[in-house]
Amino acid sequence: QKEVEQNSGPLSVPEGAIASLNCTYSDRGSQSFFWYRQYSGKSPELIMSIYSNGDKEDGRFTAQLNKASQYVSLLIRDSQPSDSATYLCALGDNDMRFGAGTRLTVKP
Amino acid sequence: GAVVSQHPSWVICKSGTSVKIECRSLDFQATTMFWYRQFPKQSLMLMATSNEGSKATYEQGVEKDKFLINHASLTLSTLTVTSAHPEDSSFYICSATGTGLNEQYFGPGTRLTVT
Repeated sequence: QKEVEQNSGPLSVPEGAIASLNCTYSDRGSQSFFWYRQYSGKSPELIMSIYSNGDKEDGRFTAQLNKASQYVSLLIRDSQPSDSATYLCALGDNDMRFGAGTRLTVKP
Repeated sequence: GAVVSQHPSWVICKSGTSVKIECRSLDFQATTMFWYRQFPKQSLMLMATSNEGSKATYEQGVEKDKFLINHASLTLSTLTVTSAHPEDSSFYICSATGTGLNEQYFGPGTRLTVT
């Protein structure tokens, strides 16, 4: 089992809809969780970090963490075509592990 | 804050030559820097982790004699691809973290093409 699992997609949603991206992990000791966005041909950029169970909201983005079930998700409300990218889930501290990423396409 | 730069942004070199890529943390001290490689439509692959003043720790399958990493200061790490071959053509990305930072911050990447 991979340490960080993501559905590779592609996930396609219409503009204005909610995009839901999910990630499961195997290391129960993980304390730090991150979502990165990577546009094609560019390097990843940090969108959200979350450290405790529950929801964390930042603008149109909401990260959800459930340590008991070992999953972390990212919701994107009012999706825009500019949100089309690959979203990488990552966990860990100094030794960060990345998922393979989910490719999201938001169709106008 | 937490800005990481890379130079060059792209480079084309001939097979058999060596190429050096620089990674700099501009506004924080990078105690740890990471080097990744990404082939088209594939995920990030961690190549090595380097701590300032120490030898880099390479991931399994990464040749340390081919990919030389130096992290001589808290703001600079370099990756040298020695005797480059066309199969080394890839997108090389560095990231860095430092004291008080939980996240890794990525540089913009360097696209290497070996002809």
